[in-house]
This record gives sequence, structure tokens and C-alpha cells, in this order.
Amino acid sequence: SYELTQAPSVSVSPLQTARITCSGDGLPKQYVYWYQQKPGQAPLLLIYKTNERASGIPERFSGSKSGTTVTLTISGVQAEDEADYYCQSADSSGTYVFGPGTKVTVL
Amino acid sequence: EVQMVQSGAEVKTPGASVRISCQVSGYTFTDYYLHWVQQAPGKGLEWMGLVDPDDGETIYAEKFQGRVSITADTSSDTAFLELRSLTSDDTAIYYCLTVDDVGPWGQGTLITVSS
Repeated sequence: SYELTQAPSVSVSPLQTARITCSGDGLPKQYVYWYQQKPGQAPLLLIYKTNERASGIPERFSGSKSGTTVTLTISGVQAEDEADYYCQSADSSGTYVFGPGTKVTVL
Repeated sequence: EVQMVQSGAEVKTPGASVRISCQVSGYTFTDYYLHWVQQAPGKGLEWMGLVDPDDGETIYAEKFQGRVSITADTSSDTAFLELRSLTSDDTAIYYCLTVDDVGPWGQGTLITVSS
């Protein structure tokens, strides 16, 4: 079955840049979505169709792709960005999958 | 304003079935696939499946195949998730969502499976 890989955790100092990666063999041909989830809340869409910022999302969040790896970049990290981040994509049959999630800690 | 409002929490016994609803408003229901996601306590997000409200076609994750049904009622702009043969592993929050920039996820529905 199709799988996505994410690092379990990333630590970053305030105002620095955090890069969260997501890898999968099918990613060159598929859109990727990124979600942020804070404790006790429903996930929030950050990026859709790989690099489109969702409505109301700050410009410091951006998405990019290179080969089989996609990256969510948070430029100028703020304390409020501490959360779990999940990537999502689909395979050629239309079956979707989430990555295991990356916990971002702001030092 | 786009909203996805889910039905309330339920407690079920092992072996039972559960049906959760997700009523949408603020956009054209038939324009976007409606997905369901499971999140067990302290765990990540698990994609369960989707329905195309326009024609009722569905795609399910292999993990839930044979035990899940997702339907859509265009007369009430409501999607439904039915999960059968529940076990304690199904204790989780279930969310409905669209993957495009349409609106926020549903608020989540907690299903507790316990004898």
C-alpha cells in the first residue's frame, strides 16, 4: 500500500525557518496537502495542491516539491506554530493516505 | 461561511455499528468529494474513504474495506459514515472534510467502543 514518510520531530528557534519534509514514490505525479493540528483541535488545512496557500493562512507557510519529496516551509517561526503537521496525498487509484506526522517544537 | 457539522459523541459496545453524519453548508455539496478520517487517542490521522456526492461513488482505504460505508444525501447536504463490527481499536475521533480549500473540517465526533 502507498505510504508517506515524515520525520517524527523538528525543533526550531523562534524567527528561524522550519522545513518539514514528506516523501513518497508517487509524489511526483500527485498533489500534496498539508495540515496543522494543535492539541484538542481539528486539523487545519495549510497548503493544498502542493503549493497553494489555503485561505487565511499566513504567508510564512509555503509548500514546494522536488522529485519524491515535498516540503512545508515555515519562515520566521512563531511560538503559535508549535503543533503536529501532516502531509496527505493520493495514489493513482484515488486512495488517499496521510504521513505519520511531524511534531514541531519551538524552542 | 462554510460549515461541516457532525453528529454527537456515542458509546458503543464491541460488535455494534455506528453511523455518523456530517451536514455541510456554505458551498455546493456536489462540487467536492467528502472524506472521512479517523484519529485514535494520541495517534495520527488515518484516511478512511471518500464519497463523490454528485454520483455516490466511493473509494475506501484497504484497512476499512468491507466494514465501512460512506454515503451522501444531496437532499439534505449530508454525508454519512457507517462503521460496522466495532472493536476497542475503533475508539477514536472521526472527522469529515474536503481536501480542497473549501472550508474547515467538521468538529469531530468521538466514538467510544467499550463493553
